Amino acid sequence: DGGITQSPKYLFRKEGQNVTLSCEQNLNHDAMYWYRQDPGQGLRLIYYSQIVNDFQKGDIAEGYSVSREKKESFPLTVTSAQKNPTAFYLCASIGVPKNIQYFGAGTRLSVL
Amino acid sequence: QKEVEQNSGPLSVPEGAIASLNCTYSDRGSQSFFWYRQYSGKSPELIMFIYSNGDKEDGRFTAQLNKASQYVSLLIRDSQPSDSATYLCAVNPMGGYGNKLVFGAGTILRVKS
Repeated sequence: DGGITQSPKYLFRKEGQNVTLSCEQNLNHDAMYWYRQDPGQGLRLIYYSQIVNDFQKGDIAEGYSVSREKKESFPLTVTSAQKNPTAFYLCASIGVPKNIQYFGAGTRLSVL
Repeated sequence: QKEVEQNSGPLSVPEGAIASLNCTYSDRGSQSFFWYRQYSGKSPELIMFIYSNGDKEDGRFTAQLNKASQYVSLLIRDSQPSDSATYLCAVNPMGGYGNKLVFGAGTILRVKS
């Protein structure tokens, strides 16, 4: 089945710890995105990548880092500098020709 | 000023009625518009997209776009309890491939049986 796979589904972070959220897609999409969603809020863009080995900061990139070494993979690291990481994290990718974003199932991150 | 605005709701409608959800956007040059449905605890799923002025229908859903007035709406006919969810409006302000979407905060819809 083609799709976007996020793992893990739930993740717990200890204070001072970096954690990495996985996002893999087998849709052959070039562009990939990371969003953060807080309760009752819309989606806020953290980082996005339009091609391999290139990515841009979104609106709330501070405390986060990404890499794009392979077309299929766009992992997000939540660093210890992110002081309020508890949120629902969503990965998306976009395909041609309709320029539509499709989402993974999400990772829910909490702080211990 | 928020770039994409939606009434947070909740919007309550009886089963079988028409639900009307509205969204306004600030960037007059916006090119494409999307409606996503998000059930509690789940990720958004696309239900409609529209690029041109006018109406676009897909089953019980109709998207309406008015670029001059900078609003896009979603009509759900014959609303069902399973339609109860948060509906997110998203706008691509720059057009082109791979550019950012700007999301509204969403409208909560409740369909009462």
